[in-house]
Amino acid sequence: KNQVEQSPQSLIILEGKNCTLQCNYTVSPFSNLRWYKQDTGRGPVSLTIMTFSENTKSNGRYTATLDADTKQSSLHITASQLSDSASYICVVFSGGYNKLIFGAGTRLAVHP
Amino acid sequence: NAGVTQTPKFRVLKTGQSMTLLCAQDMNHEYMYWYRQDPGMGLRLIHYSVGEGTTAKGEVPDGYNVSRLKKQNFLLGLESAAPSQTSVYFCASSYGTAKETQYFGPGTRLLVL
Repeated sequence: KNQVEQSPQSLIILEGKNCTLQCNYTVSPFSNLRWYKQDTGRGPVSLTIMTFSENTKSNGRYTATLDADTKQSSLHITASQLSDSASYICVVFSGGYNKLIFGAGTRLAVHP
Repeated sequence: NAGVTQTPKFRVLKTGQSMTLLCAQDMNHEYMYWYRQDPGMGLRLIHYSVGEGTTAKGEVPDGYNVSRLKKQNFLLGLESAAPSQTSVYFCASSYGTAKETQYFGPGTRLLVL
């Protein structure tokens, strides 16, 4: 079954600290993986999109990694800010099924 | 350039009532999508369109209908609302297939009593 699982479900960190969010997937065939940030009451906004051949991709303080062999991805946030408080959603696109499979998201709260 | 907009932002319906959610995009995207987002679950695809005049079913299409009469607009209709349709609805668009980045609207929060 094609699934995307994210951990932890929720996370609280202090401003200025780093954190890493995890995404494991069982989607096959795999085409690409993307991370979205969703602020409360808003729609998701794309952070990164990675294909099979890409191991790391950065977008400012956000760095995504992909291990296609173990079917794992992580999103690392450096020097967190209050504005990083949001849900982070991992999404895998299966080219074979022409379908996006969404994870349930990790809710991050950054406290001062 | 407003991107993707949705109306209304919030709506309360009684069971059995009907309503239409409007999505508009100004990026000249061919593909448009309707998703629902429920607590603890990933976004689920309701219907999508690959171009003006075309629509197709997604993962959870029952109870919903859609129309794409103009390239920039994608309408989602609920003919007879049920409490199970209480959710947040997101519209998205992409230039090409779902393989490419999708741009989401701000969402419509729907409560069915």
